[in-house]
Amino acid sequence: DTGVSQNPRHKITKRGQNVTFRCDPISEHNRLYWYRQTLGQGPEFLTYFQNEAQLEKSRLLSDRFSAERPKGSFSTLEIQRTEQGDSAMYLCASSLLTENTEAFFGQGTRLTVV
Amino acid sequence: KQEVTQIPAALSVPEGENLVLNCSFTDSAIYNLQWFRQDPGKGLTSLLLIQSSQREQTSGRLNASLDKSSGRSTLYIAASQPGDSATYLCAPFPRYSTLTFGKGTMLLVSP
Repeated sequence: DTGVSQNPRHKITKRGQNVTFRCDPISEHNRLYWYRQTLGQGPEFLTYFQNEAQLEKSRLLSDRFSAERPKGSFSTLEIQRTEQGDSAMYLCASSLLTENTEAFFGQGTRLTVV
Repeated sequence: KQEVTQIPAALSVPEGENLVLNCSFTDSAIYNLQWFRQDPGKGLTSLLLIQSSQREQTSGRLNASLDKSSGRSTLYIAASQPGDSATYLCAPFPRYSTLTFGKGTMLLVSP
């Protein structure tokens, strides 16, 4: 297993377009997290899944954002009608179910909205 | 809501120095705390995980301590090297939420 994988690594899109990112977690990990990071800031929590259930969503996740994890394996994050303010690094992480376990992050998807 | 503060925001040192990076958090009801490293434009690499019942954790030249009751953690880097240059992030894992991050400490180690 090569760790958490995110695709694409980079995405440039025009304002108003829809984009979708994919995250493949470490295979036995039950939990999957999405974070967003802008320049000079720490990652901000967006949402997380336990298996296929979406258990928590941040208020940052507006109605233009939707995340799925249909079979409890990979996850997708879709942004509809992108805005310039959506430009950021989108990070995915995964961990086991137990509390005292490490979270492992992917390399992120860099989104630029022009 | 968990708030995380990291001091200093930036640090520039010559190679070979021993360093201390500080992290404070407002909610002491945590399961654990992780320290991460982030290189420019990259994802996060986990360095150390300290469980709430532990006081210290060591990995090579890195040593992290945790004082949960006072809401503080420190990351000690011994004999710093240019390859240690990166942003270091701490993230407590609160009992009623998920990993929460500060803005990090940007470290530059010059040869």
